[in-house]
Amino acid sequence: DVKVTQSSRYLVKRTGEKVFLECVQDMDHENMFWYRQDPGLGLRLIYFSYDVKMKEKGDIPEGYSVSREKKERFSLILESASTNQTSMYLCASSKTTGVLYGYTFGSGTRLTVV
Amino acid sequence: QKEVEQNSGPLSVPEGAIASLNCTYSDRGSQSFFWYRQYSGKSPELIMFIYSNGDKEDGRFTAQLNKASQYVSLLIRDSQPSDSATYLCSLTSGGSNYKLTFGKGTLLTVNP
Repeated sequence: DVKVTQSSRYLVKRTGEKVFLECVQDMDHENMFWYRQDPGLGLRLIYFSYDVKMKEKGDIPEGYSVSREKKERFSLILESASTNQTSMYLCASSKTTGVLYGYTFGSGTRLTVV
Repeated sequence: QKEVEQNSGPLSVPEGAIASLNCTYSDRGSQSFFWYRQYSGKSPELIMFIYSNGDKEDGRFTAQLNKASQYVSLLIRDSQPSDSATYLCSLTSGGSNYKLTFGKGTLLTVNP
């Protein structure tokens, strides 16, 4: 089975800190995604990557950046954390074939910015 | 119109009943449709996908797709308390074959 691993389950950071959220997948998937999930707002796409060193903005990229230096790893960076970035962050991956068979999600990182 | 709309819920059904979860979408070019289940505090897990008009059955779950009406649904037969979760409808849109857009989800509670 595909496994998507997020490095931290819970994180507490201070306002203004630079925060790194790491995601690693072990099934050679080309596509990787970062979402945040908030009550009443659902899953919102922050950034995604369809290849190494490639990245595209999602629906809410402001305040975030990403890095994909290796195929298996996709990092989300909060340049200067703010309280409105308190959220559940979900990483996902998928394979590029003719047909999408859906995403596999990591277990999520619940980030609290104080 | 929002890209993906789901019953706002919550939806409550008795054990053994059929639960019906509905989703409409705005992009006529959407090709692939997915239902995810998310337990409280957990990440979403894929339970069904459907690409063609009609019904697709997998155990107690049936996905139904009607592209003309831009409507996709999930039926859960013989609902169990363990089915209590939030169900997320998602689909490809915007011309992308690999990027999913999600609805906000419908909370289902199955009462023993």
